Amino acid sequence: DTGVSQNPRHKITKRGQNVTFRCDPISEHNRLYWYRQTLGQGPEFLTYFQNEAQLEKSRLLSDRFSAERPKGSFSTLEIQRTEQGDSAMYLCASSLARRLAAFVKETQYFGPGTRLLVL
Amino acid sequence: AQSVTQLDSQVPVFEEAPVELRCNYSSSVSVYLFWYVQYPNQGLQLLLKYLSGSTLVKGINGFEAEFNKSQTSFHLRKPSVHISDTAEYFCAVSDSVDSSYKLIFGSGTRLLVRP
Repeated sequence: DTGVSQNPRHKITKRGQNVTFRCDPISEHNRLYWYRQTLGQGPEFLTYFQNEAQLEKSRLLSDRFSAERPKGSFSTLEIQRTEQGDSAMYLCASSLARRLAAFVKETQYFGPGTRLLVL
Repeated sequence: AQSVTQLDSQVPVFEEAPVELRCNYSSSVSVYLFWYVQYPNQGLQLLLKYLSGSTLVKGINGFEAEFNKSQTSFHLRKPSVHISDTAEYFCAVSDSVDSSYKLIFGSGTRLLVRP
């Protein structure tokens, strides 16, 4: 178990540029979540996947944001035409959801995050 | 909609003193409750969780929390803190009827342990 990894750890970009972040979950985990954390606040849910299917998106996820998990393993989060308000820590978490023991293994394990600064 | 309130943005305490970090949630349905800790420049680490059963939950690093349904609270306690406990602590709730199990977080409490 190598844990959840995220790349890059830091990203500085200019307003209007596109950025893409990657998350590699714990290998056997079928669920993957994206959260956003702004300075002085708790994380806020953005979206989640079960395997390759994106099952829910928060209203925080504007049309400039897109997330994918093409093979049910790693995930990418892309922000197009970045704005200064997009500056935040983007956290990824993974978990193992099982139908019969639905919540026993549902602990979400978080990665170290990608800190984005839009100038 | 679910919400979580952490009343104290910062709690200063001396080393080896006891501490309580407060958390209240708003919900009329069954919930699961969590406490996470975040050290500087790191992700969140689970301290403990309440799913069902005993209302007193013990976690890692000597922390415990008590679920109080009537007061909709889930306060975190430690009888004797160490310098290394200095970190940001987040309370979170997950709606048991929401199959996404997404977490709703409070705004966090910064625990500052002084020597």
